[in-house]
Amino acid sequence: GAGVSQSPRYKVAKRGQDVALRCDPISGHVSLFWYQQALGQGPEFLTYFQNEAQLDKSGLPSDRFFAERPEGSVSTLKIQRTQQEDSAVYLCASSWTEETQYFGPGTRLLVL
Amino acid sequence: QQQVKQSPQSLIVQKGGISIINCAYENTAFDYFPWYQQFPGKGPALLIAIRPDVSEKKEGRFTISFNKSAKQFSLHIMDSQPGDSATYFCAASSTSGSRLTFGEGTQLTVNP
Repeated sequence: GAGVSQSPRYKVAKRGQDVALRCDPISGHVSLFWYQQALGQGPEFLTYFQNEAQLDKSGLPSDRFFAERPEGSVSTLKIQRTQQEDSAVYLCASSWTEETQYFGPGTRLLVL
Repeated sequence: QQQVKQSPQSLIVQKGGISIINCAYENTAFDYFPWYQQFPGKGPALLIAIRPDVSEKKEGRFTISFNKSAKQFSLHIMDSQPGDSATYFCAASSTSGSRLTFGEGTQLTVNP
């Protein structure tokens, strides 16, 4: 079946622009996670949803980062007034059994 | 705050050899320890995972060894193949369905 999909796959933004990154989880998966992966590093947790409820947003690095999942399926990660340090790969993962997290291919964001 | 330390940073192995990657954790509340494999341009994919109630788990050529008292766990790849060349991440979480804390990653190269 279809895995986790993310769009766009690549995004180039000028510093100060707002960006929106989309995640389509595996159908029926209750949990959805966002991670940020800097070049050559392991993914770092950003935020977690169970259905439409955002249960943990402690990893969001600043108030410029905002995530939503209004209907409990598709999620959007929004970054306002992008900065160069926001350049990274943003990974989305979903899970059903509350063990295995299935990751999407990521969105590579480059802020110039 | 790095709660999962991974070594080595890079590893070169000959085809047919054994690849060994080690991780150590600090948080005694962690109770789920997966290993992920990541190819360039792709999201992490789950290889194998273990819980602290067992000391070893084997799936095909991949084995996790777990030492609860030392707070360490390792991945062994037997009969390593060039197709195993990828970046490997250990991870940990404290409750099912919870955020994953990743190690820094190990870039494995298997020479033909």
